[in-house]
Amino acid sequence: NAGVMQNPRHLVRRRGQEARLRCSPMKGHSHVYWYRQLPEEGLKFMVYLQKENIIDESGMPKERFSAEFPKEGPSILRIQQVVRGDSAAYFCASSPYTAGPGNTIYFGEGSWLTVV
Amino acid sequence: QQQVKQSPQSLIVQKGGISIINCAYENTAFDYFPWYQQFPGKGPALLIAIRPDVSEKKEGRFTISFNKSAKQFSLHIMDSQPGDSATYFCAAYETTDKLIFGTGTRLQVFP
Repeated sequence: NAGVMQNPRHLVRRRGQEARLRCSPMKGHSHVYWYRQLPEEGLKFMVYLQKENIIDESGMPKERFSAEFPKEGPSILRIQQVVRGDSAAYFCASSPYTAGPGNTIYFGEGSWLTVV
Repeated sequence: QQQVKQSPQSLIVQKGGISIINCAYENTAFDYFPWYQQFPGKGPALLIAIRPDVSEKKEGRFTISFNKSAKQFSLHIMDSQPGDSATYFCAAYETTDKLIFGTGTRLQVFP
């Protein structure tokens, strides 16, 4: 049973370009979460999605960031016009049910974005 | 505003010793407290978790102690091994979908 798959694992973008990060949840999981980890910091919640729906995007920056989880295919985190401050590790997680007490979420290995 | 405060930032322990990591929170609405272990270049993995109605939970060499009145909880790693060297994060559920993480503790266990 494959885990949460993220790609690319490493991505380098020049300032102003777009970054697109993909996440395939574990088999049977319909809930996807994106977290961002800045260097030497803990993970920060960004967005929670179910198929075709954004449930909670309270952690997403208001501009340049968007996320989707289409009916078919992986979840996508899109960052437009990247800036150096976007350099971070972006982790996707999935769960079979809504995350919460007793319901484990499983993290992928992350996508490391470097903006030069 | 940091809702879950974690200390120490780094910890060096000799093999066989006890590693202790502490966390404190303010929001009394938090109702589930997991600990995650993260190795370099990897994603966090759930280690152990506790509900606030329990004062202690033990799984193998890992124990969570929880003090609800003080709003503090800690992770104890008994008989620490070099393979335990990793970054440990405490966390808390703010709502049913959002984990709030501490800033992490980098543990190094020397033989």
